[in-house]
Parts: sequence; structure tokens; C-alpha cells
Amino acid sequence: DQQVKQNSPSLSVQEGRISILNCDYTNSMFDYFLWYKKYPAEGPTFLISISSIKDKNEDGRFTVFLNKSAKHLSLHIVPSQPGDSAVYFCAASAGGSNYKLTFGKGTLLTVNP
Amino acid sequence: DGGITQSPKYLFRKEGQNVTLSCEQNLNHDAMYWYRQDPGQGLRLIYYSQIVNDFQKGDIAEGYSVSREKKESFPLTVTSAQKNPTAFYLCASSIGVAKTQYFGPGTRLLVL
Repeated sequence: DQQVKQNSPSLSVQEGRISILNCDYTNSMFDYFLWYKKYPAEGPTFLISISSIKDKNEDGRFTVFLNKSAKHLSLHIVPSQPGDSAVYFCAASAGGSNYKLTFGKGTLLTVNP
Repeated sequence: DGGITQSPKYLFRKEGQNVTLSCEQNLNHDAMYWYRQDPGQGLRLIYYSQIVNDFQKGDIAEGYSVSREKKESFPLTVTSAQKNPTAFYLCASSIGVAKTQYFGPGTRLLVL
């Protein structure tokens, strides 16, 4: 039972354009969502997060949108740069003192020069 | 220079052998976690610890054991009971009430 789904295994965009990575979840108890970026053979790097009380959070070129009714979130990268090429993981956490994160399987983003 | 360190970067295990992966953090974080990543898969939680001397099983704890004797350290032992140990192992930590986890560089475990 996969509670966090990233249905696109890969995405390719041109440098300077917008990259949109999508994530769906099924557990209505999730109230905190995160995006991580990962290069091969390295640990994931935290990018941006959003609480369920918000519908948008922005940090530089990265914006995360949350649609609670659709149980959907997306990460927008504008403008995309070749250095953004990596695997992006969506993760979610339920409320209370349980710090457990549930991860999607990731989307490989390739930004072409 | 705060961070999470994992050692070794590569580890080889013989059949029937137990091996221990090290994870140390100097971020003064209360909670620590171990994940496993397989090719084409997301990260799956093995064990986590919210405070010293306490830890909980994650989704795939069978064949693994942990200890949390110090706040800074959370070693993971892959026992001979783990039949498919080849994977990339990631350690993470977080501040007690915050939910953002920060990851170490990982250890790749291979079976000889």
C-alpha cells in the first residue's frame, strides 16, 4: 500500500524552463510534506517543506503547492538549471509526535542545456 | 562544522556475517533514523529513535538491530537474518519537535 506516489519516474526539461514534479498521497492524516533532492550515491538534501495549513510555500527558485482536497502536491522549479538534474523525492508525515516520514519512489529530473 | 557522518562509505559482508554501520551527528538532534534505498525505490524506514535509550521498529526492521546509548550515535547492525542486505543505507536526524530530517552521505552494503 503506497501512501505517497510519484507517478512520473522521469522528467526532462530545457534549461530556463519550468520543471513541475508531482506527488499524490492517500493518507488523510498527513499534515507535513517535504521535497528532497538526491544525487547518485549521496544522501538526500532537504529542499522545501509545507504544512497542511498552507497551500503554497516559496524559497527562491523552488515553490511547493499543496491541494488538500485533491491530496496532491507539486514542486515547481523556475528557472530550471542543469545542476537541478537529480532524483526528487516527495515525503509526508502524519501529525502528533510521530516523526516518521513516508517517501515516494522519486522522479528523475534531467535539465538539458 | 555540524553534520551527519556515516562510515564506511562501502561495506562488504560475507554470508552469515553480522556487520555494523556507523552514524554520528553533531547537530544536537534528538531523533535519529535509518533508511534503506533499493534501486528504483523510495526510502524505507528500518528503525528510528526519538530519545537516548529508546528506539522503535520501522517498516522493514526484520534482520536489523540498533542501539542508542548516546545522543550523537545510532549504529545499525545488519544481521545474518537479513537475507537481502545489498542496498544503500541512509542515516538521518531531526530536532525533537521538527519534522524535517537531514541525511548523511550513506553507506553502500554489498554481499560477497
